[in-house]
Amino acid sequence: AQSVTQLDSHVSVSEGTPVLLRCNYSSSYSPSLFWYVQHPNKGLQLLLKYTSAATLVKGINGFEAEFKKSETSFHLTKPSAHMSDAAEYFCVVSAGGTSYGKLTFGQGTILTVHP
Amino acid sequence: EAQVTQNPRYLITVTGKKLTVTCSQNMNHEYMSWYRQDPGLGLRQIYYSMNVEVTDKGDVPEGYKVSRKEKRNFPLILESPSPNQTSLYFCASSLRPGRGFSTDTQYFGPGTRLTVL
Repeated sequence: AQSVTQLDSHVSVSEGTPVLLRCNYSSSYSPSLFWYVQHPNKGLQLLLKYTSAATLVKGINGFEAEFKKSETSFHLTKPSAHMSDAAEYFCVVSAGGTSYGKLTFGQGTILTVHP
Repeated sequence: EAQVTQNPRYLITVTGKKLTVTCSQNMNHEYMSWYRQDPGLGLRQIYYSMNVEVTDKGDVPEGYKVSRKEKRNFPLILESPSPNQTSLYFCASSLRPGRGFSTDTQYFGPGTRLTVL
């Protein structure tokens, strides 16, 4: 079984300040982990993907995430928020076992960026 | 341009009137999947297909049907829609189904907003 918990449903930051979106997961097998972003009235875009090559993963638009197996976490960070980062962010896990192609999504975190 | 397309993008219908939402990808992907997105619940998988003529249920399959007769198309069928199927629907595809570390990135269509009155 696999599950994802995004610890904050809403995060609000000021432009130019750091962003932290928290994600914990559970999985019976070694997982792949993803962060997707959804801008208002848009589809989902892949930000970054972890597949065991390196624990610190760099994505698009200055985002990065660190895989911490001991904490079962995959938090998303960005050093300096931009107005265009305002969107909803989803943490996603894909486990092994018999779960071919199955993605489990977190509930989403809405990021608001204030001027 | 590599993409996943869905039609229609918006649909308002009435209870019980059969409808089909089409999904097509031009990337020769083996794997395709349907999700529904509801506020506070993230995306939940409805059905998926690992290749032509191979489909299986996801987490919330009740009230939906799918078919995969061609590699590029994966339509979602609602035989008798009900108001609780009002949602935002996404189709996605990836090169291979994969699992765990071998999971391929899934590419999402633009979404179909369905309202059932």
